[in-house]
Amino acid sequence: SQTIHQWPATLVQPVGSPLSLECTVEGTSNPNLYWYRQAAGRGLQLLFYSVGIGQISSEVPQNLSASRPQDRQFILSSKKLLLSDSGFYLCAWSLAKSSSGNTIYFGEGSWLTVV
Amino acid sequence: EDKVVQSPLSLVVHEGDTVTLNCSYEVTNFRSLLWYKQEKKAPTFLFMLTSSGIEKKSGRLSSILDKKELFSILNITATQTGDSAIYLCAVETSGSRLTFGEGTQLTVNP
Repeated sequence: SQTIHQWPATLVQPVGSPLSLECTVEGTSNPNLYWYRQAAGRGLQLLFYSVGIGQISSEVPQNLSASRPQDRQFILSSKKLLLSDSGFYLCAWSLAKSSSGNTIYFGEGSWLTVV
Repeated sequence: EDKVVQSPLSLVVHEGDTVTLNCSYEVTNFRSLLWYKQEKKAPTFLFMLTSSGIEKKSGRLSSILDKKELFSILNITATQTGDSAIYLCAVETSGSRLTFGEGTQLTVNP
């Protein structure tokens, strides 16, 4: 069965410091991978998604970046964090191909507080 | 720009009540609509709907999609305190891209 791991679970970082959140998926090949951010327990905002190694689509302009160095690894980074980067970050995956509809599965999430 | 709107944003009910959560959407290249329940951390999958008029059911939860009017509802009957959560609606479009609504915060009081 497929599993998704995301870490760290919580993070407190000063403004201007770098960020690295990591996500790995097991039990599947060539998954679609996603990073979402959720502020104040509301809806999820899609930040990045990837359909393959080195293929990253950015949804919103920001000081965050994403990389996919391996098939089942997705990394969210920042060189200099802003206060507004605080939030709950969720990594997710889905099957690469589906005839109709595609369920997306989430990792446990990472709470980031920028102080 | 794809848009998903959920209503109400929050709802407080008593145990045993029946609730209906709404999700409307305006997207390009619709593929499916999904419902998730989020308690403490990661959202957990409830339903995926791709065809109009076919009800999906799981215990006390059910959902249906209307692709003509572009909306879906999630019903919860005989609510329990354990149903308290944020319920998220998402629409998948081509390229496996998912757009989420703002969620409905449901609180079920004993």
